[in-house]
Amino acid sequence: KAGVTQTPRYLIKTRGQQVTLSCSPISGHRSVSWYQQTPGQGLQFLFEYFSETQRNKGNFPGRFSGRQFSNSRSEMNVSTLELGDSALYLCASSLNPMGNQPQHFGDGTRLSIL
Amino acid sequence: TQLLEQSPQFLSIQEGENLTVYCNSSSVFSSLQWYRQEPGEGPVLLVTVVTGGEVKKLKRLTFQFGDARKDSSLHITAAQPGDTGLYLCAGYSGYSTLTFGKGTMLLVSP
Repeated sequence: KAGVTQTPRYLIKTRGQQVTLSCSPISGHRSVSWYQQTPGQGLQFLFEYFSETQRNKGNFPGRFSGRQFSNSRSEMNVSTLELGDSALYLCASSLNPMGNQPQHFGDGTRLSIL
Repeated sequence: TQLLEQSPQFLSIQEGENLTVYCNSSSVFSSLQWYRQEPGEGPVLLVTVVTGGEVKKLKRLTFQFGDARKDSSLHITAAQPGDTGLYLCAGYSGYSTLTFGKGTMLLVSP
């Protein structure tokens, strides 16, 4: 069974640009969550989508947005990139909305802002 | 805001040693998960504990959930280089999202 797939694996952007990251969940999983991981802050929750609807949102500025498609694939977008947005962005899927469901993570997209 | 504090932040030991990693909070969690993340990969779930006082064993790893469901520990017996990685705890309190600790980075040298 294929795992969670995130593309691209690495991305280099400059300040002010925007970026779109993609996540394909495990087949049959309908919930997708996004996290930002940095050495200083650890794993921070960005948002969760279930059945194409955003269920929860973390404490991030409006420059961070996302969406989920009918096939459960999800994308997140960051506009007007800042140096502090450099991080590993992780996507996780689960059968149902997060709760205490096991989260199946992809290997992440490493975003570097120059 | 619910916080999970993990200690120690870093641990460097020799193969064969035992170690314990702690995950503490002032909040009560209905369940707690432990993940291990290896360099260049996403976290992988090791175990979920849901009952206060619960102890779960996974080969050389022993997980315990505190009686009050505010803390948890992970004990590794006879550590091996393959145990190297970032250990993360994550708690669910019923408010629909998981709260992650910042992790304990474990390095086991041969």
